[in-house]
Amino acid sequence: EAGVAQSPRYKIIEKRQSVAFWCNPISGHATLYWYQQILGQGPKLLIQFQNNGVVDDSQLPKDRFSAERLKGVDSTLKIQPAKLEDSAVYLCASSLFIYDSYEQYFGPGTRLTVT
Amino acid sequence: AQSVTQLDSQVPVFEEAPVELRCNYSSSVSVYLFWYVQYPNQGLQLLLKYLSGSTLVKGINGFEAEFNKSQTSFHLRKPSVHISDTAEYFCAVNCRGGSNYKLTFGKGTLLTVNP
Repeated sequence: EAGVAQSPRYKIIEKRQSVAFWCNPISGHATLYWYQQILGQGPKLLIQFQNNGVVDDSQLPKDRFSAERLKGVDSTLKIQPAKLEDSAVYLCASSLFIYDSYEQYFGPGTRLTVT
Repeated sequence: AQSVTQLDSQVPVFEEAPVELRCNYSSSVSVYLFWYVQYPNQGLQLLLKYLSGSTLVKGINGFEAEFNKSQTSFHLRKPSVHISDTAEYFCAVNCRGGSNYKLTFGKGTLLTVNP
């Protein structure tokens, strides 16, 4: 089966610009996650969707980050405006159902560099 | 609140030597425990997981881990490593109970296998 797809793989922007990342989860997976992985650290959960509803966005910097999952399938994560400290790899993951969340499947990530 | 501590940020070993990557967790409730591997420029791949039952769990690529509740540890081991095992390894915890199953990751251990 196809894995989690993400695009773009790499993005370089200047601070104060905006950027968007796209994720297509594994077919049939109801739960979708966005993680931020700063160099030298483990992934940190930004937001978790169950179908098209938000389950947890407690660690999402809502003044600049937004995410949506229209129709409960694809998802987009946006940063506007970007700061230098947003440089990181943004990982998307999916799982069948929230109570199965230990079985998370990760995409290859988008590496963002803010200059 | 749950947390994960990976005691070694880097572990260099020679090919065919045994290796142990250490992980300790803290949680006030029962946990699920995981080890993920991340190869350069790739997403995370599940190596193995402890959900319940036998405290010794076997995963892919010859890795195994032992859950020790009294020491709150979940160390990863392999009796003989290969060059291809060079990667970053992340321990993660997912607390049982409640309405939100959230994965918390450690900071990772970079395993470097030298010829």
